[in-house]
Amino acid sequence: DAKTTQPPSMDCAEGRAANLPCNHSTISGNEYVYWYRQIHSQGPQYIIHGLKNNETNEMASLIITEDRKSSTLILPHATLRDTAVYYCIVRAMDLSTSGTYKYIFGTGTRLKVLA
Amino acid sequence: DAGVIQSPRHEVTEMGQEVTLRCKPISGHNSLFWYRQTMMRGLELLIYFNNNVPIDDSGMPEDRFSAKMPNASFSTLKIQPSEPRDSAVYFCASSLRWDRTHEQYFGPGTRLTVT
Repeated sequence: DAKTTQPPSMDCAEGRAANLPCNHSTISGNEYVYWYRQIHSQGPQYIIHGLKNNETNEMASLIITEDRKSSTLILPHATLRDTAVYYCIVRAMDLSTSGTYKYIFGTGTRLKVLA
Repeated sequence: DAGVIQSPRHEVTEMGQEVTLRCKPISGHNSLFWYRQTMMRGLELLIYFNNNVPIDDSGMPEDRFSAKMPNASFSTLKIQPSEPRDSAVYFCASSLRWDRTHEQYFGPGTRLTVT
């Protein structure tokens, strides 16, 4: 399973863009990059995922480098409610016939949005 | 939909007692995951089911832990006998196996304290 490396913590001013980096240098060609976040005392919440193209949804943008060895999650206008731990996950394919994909969570980045 | 439901939300028990955690996945979801989260080890996948069948239990720490899914709408995680080192937050998550995003929806968690 590909491992991910993230900075343990980051600060961001409210209203500014938050750029959260992730390294996944051993990622395989068919493995997706997922981002989840966990707000204090809650279960993790899905944000976005991608394979090799940049992706955008209502929550965030995901930029994946051409060699796919790293990616950046962008929260375009961070708010206080975005304070959370952000997990970058490389989805490990279940090689059994079941076809379910399981996540290997790392330690994440603790993002603090400052007023 | 009410989302993934877990009960109890908090459990305090004495060492040696049996503990049963319960989970009701989102209706229609056919994959179910049990995770454990501690400060030391982060978020760990314990076991997951597809269509009520256990697929991978390699994350279950030892024989004291067991999980069942008797039907599509209910799963249990049992610890017998419990030990202080089992103290953690236990999350249940469900997903729709063939959903394009493979997004996992997490419950609010059960905070277990073993004294």
